[in-house]
Amino acid sequence: GDSVTQMEGPVTLSEEAFLTINCTYTATGYPSLFWYVQYPGEGLQLLLKATKADDKGSNKGFEATYRKETTSFHLEKGSVQVSDSAVYFCALALSPNSGNTPLVFGKGTRLSVIA
Amino acid sequence: DTGVSQNPRHKITKRGQNVTFRCDPISEHNRLYWYRQTLGQGPEFLTYFQNEAQLEKSRLLSDRFSAERPKGSFSTLEIQRTEQGDSAMYLCASSPGGVLNSPLHFGNGTRLTVT
Repeated sequence: GDSVTQMEGPVTLSEEAFLTINCTYTATGYPSLFWYVQYPGEGLQLLLKATKADDKGSNKGFEATYRKETTSFHLEKGSVQVSDSAVYFCALALSPNSGNTPLVFGKGTRLSVIA
Repeated sequence: DTGVSQNPRHKITKRGQNVTFRCDPISEHNRLYWYRQTLGQGPEFLTYFQNEAQLEKSRLLSDRFSAERPKGSFSTLEIQRTEQGDSAMYLCASSPGGVLNSPLHFGNGTRLTVT
């Protein structure tokens, strides 16, 4: 079945360090890919998305590029801040043409940024 | 936009009791989703509605679980004869239907503890 695999956490970084959280997917169709973030005490919220191969999603200094050849959607940020401490979830949604739209999530990666 | 509201925030119940959770989506959103999240895992899809129609149910949704959205606005999720394995965070999300790859807006969840 369709699935998302993301790197195990927790990840602990110093402020201004470079961040990469790996995400790979398995899907039978042509999925759209998402990163959601869950800050402490808050609900999940969309961070960025990409809907087709080679698209780059970006938001709040985070970026991820949809790589069809490697079935990956790795999340990157050049300089993390303490306020980026959260749990990050990679997710996919199959194309609406497949008739299946609910999101499939990875297990999440907890990021802690220390000053 | 008041966001997705879920009640109660926490529920502690004894094994074998029935519980009901409520979700109020963003008012103009006609799609509503229920997910379950256990510790260290990503959200797992349970079911979703387009207006009042329940369009898909996961195999995770055993016959002890039932969800309704009678008027196409708020939704309820009922668990009958609760088991300890039902302990989890139950998440509700909504999105505008008909908008390709529109993001899901999540509530803060209802945490269920079955003792």
